[in-house]
Amino acid sequence: QLVLTQSPSASASLGASVKLTCTLSSGHSNYAIAWHQQQPEKGPRYLMKVNNDGSHIKGDGIPDRFSGSSSGAERYLTISSLQSEDEADYYCQTWGTGIWVFGGGTKVTVL
Amino acid sequence: EVQLVESGGGLVTPGGSLRLSCAASGFTFSSYSMDWVRQAPGKGLEWVSSISSGRSYIYYADSVKGRFTISRDNAKNSLYLQMNSLRAEDTAVYYCARQSYGSGISDYWGQGTLVTVSS
Repeated sequence: QLVLTQSPSASASLGASVKLTCTLSSGHSNYAIAWHQQQPEKGPRYLMKVNNDGSHIKGDGIPDRFSGSSSGAERYLTISSLQSEDEADYYCQTWGTGIWVFGGGTKVTVL
Repeated sequence: EVQLVESGGGLVTPGGSLRLSCAASGFTFSSYSMDWVRQAPGKGLEWVSSISSGRSYIYYADSVKGRFTISRDNAKNSLYLQMNSLRAEDTAVYYCARQSYGSGISDYWGQGTLVTVSS
């Protein structure tokens, strides 16, 4: 069964970095994923696609301080130089034949 | 600029029906697969349904299969979701999203439309 697992919350200080993890279920470790940001009271925004080799393709206008990487079944989103507007929920997404899956989301708090 | 604008949400009683629309602009709509994704109040994102560019492939989440129907009109650059036999647990903001060409990821999202199922 295709499942994505995310920690419910993460926090870091203004100007610091935070690394979010999205874990693919057993047997799906080679899947690419996407990261999406959802600021309070807004719709989601596509950030980037992260492939199993760690390469990533960002969406339009996504700042350089957002980056993606990969290790085994884990896909990462790193936000550097945290800003107040980065306080948001972050979701990972993947897909298979006839199914699309989202992780439960990670709420990022900027201290 | 890619734009996706949903409409058609509102309050409906359990067992009722509603049809959502999504107007697309800023890209060649007929070349892209499209999705509906929903978010219940205070919850995470849940994929609902997908339709390929030429309507050859249509998929539904188990939670809506047999009750919801996705469709599109490429001449009108529009995506639709017909929702029948609505339940309280269908209450959510419904987003339409474009699938990135050649991949299943959602690379553009609309602002959403709220559907409330309540008596």
